[in-house]
Amino acid sequence: NAGVTQTPKFRILKIGQSMTLQCAQDMNHNYMYWYRQDPGMGLKLIYYSVGAGITDKGEVPNGYNVSRSTTEDFPLRLELAAPSQTSVYFCASNPAGNTEAFFGQGTRLTVV
Amino acid sequence: TQLLEQSPQFLSIQEGENLTVYCNSSSVFSSLQWYRQEPGEGPVLLVTVVTGGEVKKLKRLTFQFGDARKDSSLHITAAQTGDTGLYLCAGEEGANAGKSTFGDGTTLTVKP
Repeated sequence: NAGVTQTPKFRILKIGQSMTLQCAQDMNHNYMYWYRQDPGMGLKLIYYSVGAGITDKGEVPNGYNVSRSTTEDFPLRLELAAPSQTSVYFCASNPAGNTEAFFGQGTRLTVV
Repeated sequence: TQLLEQSPQFLSIQEGENLTVYCNSSSVFSSLQWYRQEPGEGPVLLVTVVTGGEVKKLKRLTFQFGDARKDSSLHITAAQTGDTGLYLCAGEEGANAGKSTFGDGTTLTVKP
């Protein structure tokens, strides 16, 4: 049972570079989320999606973009990476709101 | 402004002691969830509370949802070193379906 799979696990980017963090789930969940977590802190919602073709901004969307062309995949795009985007990124999914969210293992991103 | 305020931010206790951590908001939530996160891992759901005034028990952990559904508490009896971790509350405001946000968490350290 794969659950939520995130790739890559680690990445170092130079300032101004761009990259896509991949997230895939095999549970046929409608809802998917991207969070970032800074050291010792909670999770900040970047973007979320309640179904294929639908995305919405969370608390901290600036500097990021997402797409949801399929139920399974929810990639997060960073354009023009900045040091402030150094963080651990978690993708999550659940079948509907207010239900248990299943998290990936996280992507640790460093921007230098 | 943090939608969900957790307190205390850090808590260090001896094994065998009892503790309570809190999750407060000025908003009404249709439900609140408590997660536990270990270093290097994604959060894992402990419980979901749905009804105002609800109390749920999970072994030595007792969760309570406030009558007005704006706050929740987690009480641990006779803490063990294995309880060490980051405890997060999360909720979805009724008006924002799918927008699930987290508090900043309580970092609990249980010393032997």
